[in-house]
Amino acid sequence: DQQVKQNSPSLSVQEGRISILNCDYTNSMFDYFLWYKKYPAEGPTFLISISSIKDKNEDGRFTVFLNKSAKHLSLHIVPSQPGDSAVYFCAASAHFSGTYKYIFGTGTRLKVLA
Amino acid sequence: DGGITQSPKYLFRKEGQNVTLSCEQNLNHDAMYWYRQDPGQGLRLIYYSQIVNDFQKGDIAEGYSVSREKKESFPLTVTSAQKNPTAFYLCASSTDRVDTEAFFGQGTRLTVV
Repeated sequence: DQQVKQNSPSLSVQEGRISILNCDYTNSMFDYFLWYKKYPAEGPTFLISISSIKDKNEDGRFTVFLNKSAKHLSLHIVPSQPGDSAVYFCAASAHFSGTYKYIFGTGTRLKVLA
Repeated sequence: DGGITQSPKYLFRKEGQNVTLSCEQNLNHDAMYWYRQDPGQGLRLIYYSQIVNDFQKGDIAEGYSVSREKKESFPLTVTSAQKNPTAFYLCASSTDRVDTEAFFGQGTRLTVV
């Protein structure tokens, strides 16, 4: 059962416009949410995160929104740049049986067109 | 310079052979994780460890084994029982705080022929 879902496998956006990547989760026990960026054949790099007690976190061009009632979060990138083209993973973490683990979504491939 | 090192970057093995992937971190992190990436399936958790000499199975542990004898090291063995071992393997580490991110290594691409 996929606890973290990214239903859009790909997204294309014009340079300078807004990119919106979406993520849904099913487990209300998740207490921390993260977004990672990944290039082919490399490890994911951390972008931005949000605690479950907040509804928005902003860092430069990146903003993450959390809607707990809908179990939905989104990543906004404004303005989008060609260097943003990568696969973006949504992740959630919580305590499970006394230990932490991170559950990842399936990823969304973002292509920013120049 | 702190980080996570996975070696080797590319690994080729014959079917039926066990192979061990290395993961070392010098971030002084307590927790370490192994994930597998396949096309269209995101990152799936194989094993994780919160403390030395203790580890837990993730969602796809069958055919894999791990050890955590040192805080810095968390090697993953892909055994011959793993039915589809060809994949991109990622190691990560984190502190034991709830509000923290995991740091990833550069990955090992394992190809079994």
